[in-house]
Amino acid sequence: NAGVIQTPRHKVTGKGQEATLWCEPISGHSAVFWYRQTIVQGLEFLTYFRNQAPIDDSGMPKERFSAQMPNQSHSTLKIQSTQPQDSAVYLCASSSGLGVEQYFGPGTRLTVL
Amino acid sequence: AQSVTQPDARVTVSEGASLQLRCKYSYFGTPYLFWYVQYPRQGLQLLLKYYPGDPVVQGVNGFEAEFSKSNSSFHLRKASVHWSDWAVYFCAVSTGNTGKLIFGLGTTLQVQP
Repeated sequence: NAGVIQTPRHKVTGKGQEATLWCEPISGHSAVFWYRQTIVQGLEFLTYFRNQAPIDDSGMPKERFSAQMPNQSHSTLKIQSTQPQDSAVYLCASSSGLGVEQYFGPGTRLTVL
Repeated sequence: AQSVTQPDARVTVSEGASLQLRCKYSYFGTPYLFWYVQYPRQGLQLLLKYYPGDPVVQGVNGFEAEFSKSNSSFHLRKASVHWSDWAVYFCAVSTGNTGKLIFGLGTTLQVQP
């Protein structure tokens, strides 16, 4: 089992550019979660999918951020018009159900110049 | 609102000494609790999990934690710390119905030789 895969591991964008982050969950897991990690805010929940359907996006900034899960093997987090404050490590996790442990990928470190 | 507090930002112990990392949670209902560890430039790895039942749970690498409903706590313990335990430790509570994790700000464990 390869675990949760996230690509790219590092991404550098200029202010105003778009960034797309990819996540491949563990095979057979029905839930996919996205979190953001910064020094100041710590680990923040962004959004999650269950059986590919968006369930809770209460942590997503209302503008510029969107997430999709077009099939059971991958999810994407897209940030339009990136700003320096978007710089963070974006973590994807998957689990086999609700209330059970989540398995995290290595994260994508996004740096917006 | 649900929350997790890790009162110690940094804990320093000598190798071979015992360890306790503190975690207090605020949650209405029955919490599902987790401890994760993060090594430099890596994602989060699950140490142990608590589901309603035995209050003392065993994890990997000799870690254990004890759930206390009366104290709203879920402290992590280890009898003898190894230098490789140097990392950041996160306590988290699951919101049950949604499954998203709410994290504390983490405790950095430093191990002195």
